[in-house]
Amino acid sequence: DVQMTQSPSYLAASPGESVSISCKASKSISNNLAWYQEKPGKANKLLIHSGSTLQSGTPSRFSGSGSGTDFTLTIRSLEFEDFAVYYCQQYNEYPRTFGGGTKLELK
Amino acid sequence: EVQLVESGGGLVQPGRSLKLSCAASGFTFSNYYMAWVRQAPTKGLEWVASITNSGGSTYYRDSVKGRFTISRDNAKSTLYLQMDSLRSEDTATYYCTRDYRRVFDYWGQGVMVTVSS
Repeated sequence: DVQMTQSPSYLAASPGESVSISCKASKSISNNLAWYQEKPGKANKLLIHSGSTLQSGTPSRFSGSGSGTDFTLTIRSLEFEDFAVYYCQQYNEYPRTFGGGTKLELK
Repeated sequence: EVQLVESGGGLVQPGRSLKLSCAASGFTFSNYYMAWVRQAPTKGLEWVASITNSGGSTYYRDSVKGRFTISRDNAKSTLYLQMDSLRSEDTATYYCTRDYRRVFDYWGQGVMVTVSS
């Protein structure tokens, strides 16, 4: 199975700041990587697919980069609604696997 | 508006069975692959199973292979997960997801399954 390692597990930031979350795959997954947002009481939301393509409705302050084994989710000018848990997920092969998650907290 | 609504969760003893359902609306169900993803308490997300739009092919993670069965009724726009021989490690919130071009583009709110004696 492809292991997905996210870092950091926890991240504290303030509105207006920029943050980056890393996701590393145990082997090359090309650009077959998605990022999701999890918020209490809400359905999980697909933010980015194909490593860097914003899903319709995802604000432009979100961006994704990387290919192969190393990927990054960047959120510029954080807004209050961005404080959530973020997961990366590879879909290059079965079983589909997720990173362990990064909890973005308000500082 | 795409909606996915899960049902059928609950408390079940180890070794027993449970069947989850997911009612889909807001899109042409028969055109899309579907999947189940779960999340154990305080843990991350874990893909469980996927099914093609026709139901002709299914895919499972190793830990549920032979115990879980994913199926669908396109006439009723409903996805199912039959879970047999349940174990404590199957305790989780189970999410129904639409599997579009291999990404999970819509998720339900989830249904809780607790396996305990």
